[in-house]
Amino acid sequence: SAVISQKPSRDICQRGTSLTIQCQVDSQVTMMFWYRQQPGQSLTLIATANQGSEATYESGFVIDKFPISRPNLTFSTLTVSNMSPEDSSIYLCSVEFGEGTQYFGPGTRLLVL
Amino acid sequence: EDQVTQSPEALRLQEGESSSLNCSYTVSGLRGLFWYRQDPGKGPEFLFTLYSAGEEKEKERLKATLTKKESFLHITAPKPEDSATYLCAVQSSSGSARQLTFGSGTQLTVLP
Repeated sequence: SAVISQKPSRDICQRGTSLTIQCQVDSQVTMMFWYRQQPGQSLTLIATANQGSEATYESGFVIDKFPISRPNLTFSTLTVSNMSPEDSSIYLCSVEFGEGTQYFGPGTRLLVL
Repeated sequence: EDQVTQSPEALRLQEGESSSLNCSYTVSGLRGLFWYRQDPGKGPEFLFTLYSAGEEKEKERLKATLTKKESFLHITAPKPEDSATYLCAVQSSSGSARQLTFGSGTQLTVLP
């Protein structure tokens, strides 16, 4: 498995602003994923971020709104741009270890006013 | 399109009262089925991976089983600390995508 940390753990932001969320892993991993969990709902994949290539976004998510960086094998960032109250969610990063198993970070709780 | 349906949505048990959670899935080739536990305000915690029908895995009071259409998470003699939301997810073997498709979860409450 892996130890995964996220910063910030929570934030309150004003609409129209942007927030960058960091995900740090204690070992090198090829595949990292970003998920969103809206209040009372399950996890929805935003994008897959592999080091050395552009992130792959799921239907309904676009790079202009959720730009992702993956500068090395232990780190990634997700930016939530031009935020609105509908962006209030928990944002989670995960990494894949072993045969398909993903391990999750503690999440970033975002509230947009 | 991969789909995962979990039932029941919520389950309340008395301490020691065994029960099962259900995860029904449709996927174009199953690479793996995953169970997670999620406590309020935290990220999902990995429990089990199942790869093929007939496979079973156990961890303390939890046992996960898999058929070609569904998976069960059996909880034997649960304790209050087992209270959490249990999530099921599948990964398809078609194409190169590695993402997980999650169900909506079962919120388990174990009363002392």
